[in-house]
Amino acid sequence: EAGVTQFPSHSVIEKGQTVTLRCDPISGHDNLYWYRRVMGKEIKFLLHFVKESKQDESGMPNNRFLAERTGGTYSTLKVQPAELEDSGVYFCASSQEPNTIYFGEGSWLTVV
Amino acid sequence: RKEVEQDPGPFNVPEGATVAFNCTYSNSASQSFFWYRQDCRKEPKLLMSVYSSGNEDGRFTAQLNRASQYISLLIRDSKLSDSATYLCVVSLSGGYQKVTFGTGTKLQVIP
Repeated sequence: EAGVTQFPSHSVIEKGQTVTLRCDPISGHDNLYWYRRVMGKEIKFLLHFVKESKQDESGMPNNRFLAERTGGTYSTLKVQPAELEDSGVYFCASSQEPNTIYFGEGSWLTVV
Repeated sequence: RKEVEQDPGPFNVPEGATVAFNCTYSNSASQSFFWYRQDCRKEPKLLMSVYSSGNEDGRFTAQLNRASQYISLLIRDSKLSDSATYLCVVSLSGGYQKVTFGTGTKLQVIP
C-alpha cells in the first residue's frame, strides 16, 4: 500500500515567487495534516483537514499560506508570495485511526 | 515556555549502552503521548505510544509521569541503527487532533 506522498521533494524558489506543494494521503484516510519544520526549530502544526473541510487551521502562519483539499483526496499548500523565513521542510500526514499518523517524506523548500 | 521540551543532545553512546531521554510537557490537559523516530532528512515515524502504566517494546521502554508532566524513553543494548533523532510528541486529546512536537533529542551510537 502506498504511503503518504509529497511533491516536489525539493524546491528552490526566489523570494516573492509562488510555490505549490502537493500531498497525496494514504488512500481512504479522511484526516490530512500539514506540518512544517524551519531550520533549528521543532516540527509545528499548520492545519488539519477532515475530508475536504478545514478542521483546524490555527497553525497557519499568515495569509500568504493557502491550503486546499478539493474533493477530500489530495491537498495542496500554496505559499504566495514566498519569503525567506518560509524555508524549511513541509510534512504532510494522514490518519484514519485515532493516534496513528503517517507522515510523508516532506517537501524541502528553500527560498533565496 | 515551550509546550514540549527536550534536551537536544547529542547523546553519544557506545554500542551496547543504555540511554535514557526525558521530555517535559507544559499542558496538564494533554492526553496522548508518543515517541517518534526521525532519521536524517527523513519523515518522523512512530516508535511507540506512551501509556500511563508504562510500556515496553523489545529494547525500548517508555514511561509517563502525569504528576510531573514528563515522559521518558529508555533504550537498552544500543545498536548502531538506533542512531537517529527521537521526538517527543504530545496531543491534547486522543483521536485525530493535532500533535505537538518537541525539538528532538539526537542519539549517536558509536562502534
